[in-house]
Amino acid sequence: SQQGEEDPQALSIQEGENATMNCSYKTSINNLQWYRQNSGRGLVHLILIRSNEREKHSGRLRVTLDTSKKSSSLLITASRAADTASYFCATDGVNAGGTSYGKLTFGQGTILTVHP
Amino acid sequence: EAQVTQNPRYLITVTGKKLTVTCSQNMNHEYMSWYRQDPGLGLRQIYYSMNVEVTDKGDVPEGYKVSRKEKRNFPLILESPSPNQTSLYFCASSFPGHRQYFGPGTRLTVT
Repeated sequence: SQQGEEDPQALSIQEGENATMNCSYKTSINNLQWYRQNSGRGLVHLILIRSNEREKHSGRLRVTLDTSKKSSSLLITASRAADTASYFCATDGVNAGGTSYGKLTFGQGTILTVHP
Repeated sequence: EAQVTQNPRYLITVTGKKLTVTCSQNMNHEYMSWYRQDPGLGLRQIYYSMNVEVTDKGDVPEGYKVSRKEKRNFPLILESPSPNQTSLYFCASSFPGHRQYFGPGTRLTVT
């Protein structure tokens, strides 16, 4: 089953605007990861945020995690046409003992289009 | 260079003809996994392996087999492929609890 639900499914913005994508999940996690994929090509890892972290930055990316609401958001600031891609969140679940059992579950993704 | 390799990258085959997609990683990762990606469905996990000789079903295991005899290799076997297995397949590896490294993908068409 798909644990991650992403919102919106598609987002269209102008260059220079910010893009925000949201991800919700259902069960306890060890960490949550965001990936980017350009049209049918390979997946590029963007950022990993652990369950005990609330916010993480990497360049123009900002990720937040709210474990009480079981949700995360990815913010891309000052977007560029080259940011056009699909963005996926993926949750790394934990077993009954609270440790990762190494099973990533992906959301269906948000298609971001940035117009020049 | 740290990498995950998959072969072949593209494959067109016919219904019922057994095939194997190989996956190899050079990072000594314990964890390896196979996903399929279909339009509108995101990535769905087929099988995963926590270590040598330890494998488990993912969300869509029907019609697939895997084996993990060596740490670096995790082949995906389709014993009798059917058209509904036409998809884009990704192999990935990682240390548990860390980011995954993905292969470049294998585009499979079953006619």
